[in-house]
Amino acid sequence: GAVVSQHPSWVICKSGTSVKIECRSLDFQATTMFWYRQFPKQSLMLMATSNEGSKATYEQGVEKDKFLINHASLTLSTLTVTSAHPEDSSFYICSASHGGQGQFFGPGTRLTVL
Amino acid sequence: DAKTTQPPSMDCAEGRAANLPCNHSTISGNEYVYWYRQIHSQGPQYIIHGLKNNETNEMASLIITEDRKSSTLILPHATLRDTAVYYCIVRAPFRTGTASKLTFGTGTRLQVTL
Repeated sequence: GAVVSQHPSWVICKSGTSVKIECRSLDFQATTMFWYRQFPKQSLMLMATSNEGSKATYEQGVEKDKFLINHASLTLSTLTVTSAHPEDSSFYICSASHGGQGQFFGPGTRLTVL
Repeated sequence: DAKTTQPPSMDCAEGRAANLPCNHSTISGNEYVYWYRQIHSQGPQYIIHGLKNNETNEMASLIITEDRKSSTLILPHATLRDTAVYYCIVRAPFRTGTASKLTFGTGTRLQVTL
């Protein structure tokens, strides 16, 4: 149990385009989902926390208008990187939680912006 | 959440026990010690967590000192598949109906060799 999937697993896009990444909890209802970003040889950095049906809470320094998060259902959250640029190239990881059951991580999405 | 300190890297021979230390001298009374690991280009994987008693599951054992200022994760018979970055995280317990973020440090890069 407690499986989290992400789609796509990798994506390459041109600079200036937008990219949407999906995070799904497959066998449980996730009241809260988290989005992390990880640059090469660095640790995971939390970008935002989203609760189903409400606006996401962004960490300091993360642009909410650039990284749009939607958590419309208890099993799906999406992260849209708008007007992507090469510096947005990174490994994006989501996690899902249902209160006391802890956090379960997705496999990650590697974004490359050309 | 309390800060943790881990050695940046460790080596271990396959079949031997891997003992990964973590210092968390500022841990407070209700904070748990969690361990996750991240295999290259994958999302983090939960390993184990504990409060003050030693814990064991099918993956590992967690030894927490009596003063709770440090802990050791033990992989009893390391295999090549255990090569990963191991993160020790201290935080308040997950509670039903709430979910709180995890703060990842730099972790310990464990290299298991033949």
